[in-house]
Amino acid sequence: GNSVTQMEGPVTLSEEAFLTINCTYTATGYPSLFWYVQYPGEGLQLLLKATKADDKGSNKGFEATYRKETTSFHLEKGSVQVSDSAVYFCALRDSGGYQKVTFGTGTKLQVIP
Amino acid sequence: DGGITQSPKYLFRKEGQNVTLSCEQNLNHDAMYWYRQDPGQGLRLIYYSQIVNDFQKGDIAEGYSVSREKKESFPLTVTSAQKNPTAFYLCASSTTGQTRVHEQYFGPGTRLTVT
Repeated sequence: GNSVTQMEGPVTLSEEAFLTINCTYTATGYPSLFWYVQYPGEGLQLLLKATKADDKGSNKGFEATYRKETTSFHLEKGSVQVSDSAVYFCALRDSGGYQKVTFGTGTKLQVIP
Repeated sequence: DGGITQSPKYLFRKEGQNVTLSCEQNLNHDAMYWYRQDPGQGLRLIYYSQIVNDFQKGDIAEGYSVSREKKESFPLTVTSAQKNPTAFYLCASSTTGQTRVHEQYFGPGTRLTVT
């Protein structure tokens, strides 16, 4: 079956540091890939997505590139802010009829001033 | 504004009682989903529905039930048969079809505590 593996957290960074959160996946077919963000006590919000190999999703300074050769979708941001502190989930949606979504376990990011 | 509402935000129940969590969306989405979130385990799918009057079990459906009588509403009942019901419950919705990617939109969640 499909699976998503994220780096263990928490990740603690100083403000303005560079962020990378690793995500690798296992899937059959041609899945779509997503990053969601969850702030404390809230639901998930879609951060960015990519639907095919070599696509780059971007939003609010975050970027991730769909790498089929390495089955990866790493999240990056050049300069994090305290307001970026949250839990980040990598997810994939397969290309089958139901399009089931598989989520990673989440990576908590803490940005300190 | 379009979105998904879940109520209540916090819910407390005694063991052995059934409890129903509300989920309403005004996004005109055909598909709706219920997930359970536990610390360190990501999201696990409980039930999903792709159309009114039809729903399917997800990965952890035991001890839960749902109904889909209206497009906008997808309530989840946590029954007394659910052995470990304390968790954060998330409802989501999406469009459907084969021709495009259908990202899920999430509600704010309901934290259920059973003692």
